[in-house]
Amino acid sequence: DARVTQTPRHKVTEMGQEVTMRCQPILGHNTVFWYRQTMMQGLELLAYFRNRAPLDDSGMPKDRFSAEMPDATLATLKIQPSEPRDSAVYFCAGGLAGARNEQFFGPGTRLTVL
Amino acid sequence: GQSLEQPSEVTAVEGAIVQINCTYQTSGFYGLSWYQQHDGGAPTFLSYNALDGLEETGRFSSFLSRSDSYGYLLLQELQMKDSASYFCAVRDQDSNYQLIWGAGTKLIIKP
Repeated sequence: DARVTQTPRHKVTEMGQEVTMRCQPILGHNTVFWYRQTMMQGLELLAYFRNRAPLDDSGMPKDRFSAEMPDATLATLKIQPSEPRDSAVYFCAGGLAGARNEQFFGPGTRLTVL
Repeated sequence: GQSLEQPSEVTAVEGAIVQINCTYQTSGFYGLSWYQQHDGGAPTFLSYNALDGLEETGRFSSFLSRSDSYGYLLLQELQMKDSASYFCAVRDQDSNYQLIWGAGTKLIIKP
């Protein structure tokens, strides 16, 4: 039963600390997306990779956020330094480019920055 | 600009039928999708329409009219477990073919 996995599922940290979230896409999927979801903003796209190459990270605050895909089985999203306004649920999603707009979401990382 | 509009909340009764509408404004339309998200869960894919007309999958159907830039999700024989948020999303040429998301419609089902 192939699925997207994300770690950690929950993270509580203090302002100023570095946060690293990890995602393992489904084997064979060539697109990876990082989304942030809050009650106020809905689903926001932060970064988008195709075949491990970054295609769009315009939704990401560049001064503190960074997203990478060191290999096909791992995508990372880092926040340094974290701020209380970063508190949200961060989802990783993946799929096949051009395939029915179908994205497979991981369970999310619920981040709380105190 | 690119935008999708859908109602923020819809209320219906168990066993009834409900329709959630979505209008969009994008460049280079490449299909309309619907996703379901339960509270505390992740969005899950429901349907995809690339061409005009109705697509049926069990109790759920999705409709698209490209000339009207409009689509809807139809849920029949509502069950309490259908209580969730429903998002429409459009793949758009101007945004590297990524999905543009609506703000979501919270469906409240009453017994």
